[in-house]
Amino acid sequence: SYELTQPPSVSVSPRQTATITCSGDTLGDKYTSWYQQKPGQSPVLVIYQDNQRPSGIPERFSGSNPGNTATLTISGTQPEDEADYYCQAWDSTSHVLFGGGTRLTVL
Amino acid sequence: EVQLVQSGAEVKKPGESLKISCHDPGYRFATHWIAWVRQLPGKGLESMGIIDPSDSDTRYGPSFEGQVTISVDTSINTAYLQWRSLKVSDTAMYYCARMKEKMGNGYFDLWGRGTLVTVSS
Repeated sequence: SYELTQPPSVSVSPRQTATITCSGDTLGDKYTSWYQQKPGQSPVLVIYQDNQRPSGIPERFSGSNPGNTATLTISGTQPEDEADYYCQAWDSTSHVLFGGGTRLTVL
Repeated sequence: EVQLVQSGAEVKKPGESLKISCHDPGYRFATHWIAWVRQLPGKGLESMGIIDPSDSDTRYGPSFEGQVTISVDTSINTAYLQWRSLKVSDTAMYYCARMKEKMGNGYFDLWGRGTLVTVSS
């Protein structure tokens, strides 16, 4: 079955750049979205269609999907960006898939 | 934009039935697929299934086919997630989410606050 693989954790210093990856077979042929989830809260869409940012999401959030690995980049990471991040795509049978999630720690 | 409005937390015993709801206060309920997403305690997001409110076309995730029923009532802009016989392993937070774009390309731009379901004897 199709899977999306994320690193369990990523650490970054404040104001540095955080990079979170999401790997899947031929993922570059699909659109990838990214969600931020803070403790006790619902997920929030931060990137859709690989690199589109919803209104209200800071410009420091960006995305790319050039091949088998999609990437969420947070430039100038802020303490409030500490959260779990999930990638999302679709498999070939039109099922929604989420990656296992990455906990971003801002040290 | 307002969130989807989900029903309150539930505490049930194994074997009991349950139906939780997700109300969309917007006026275009029938134009967007609605997904149900499970989050087990301390774990990640899992897509249970999605439904098209315009015709009730429903697609279940492989792990959830036959385990739950997803339905809608378009007269009150509400989607439902139903169990006939709960298990302890169904203890989780359940989110509904509104999908933008089409099947195969969709993403979820609006979420509910979640319904916590606890199943314990």
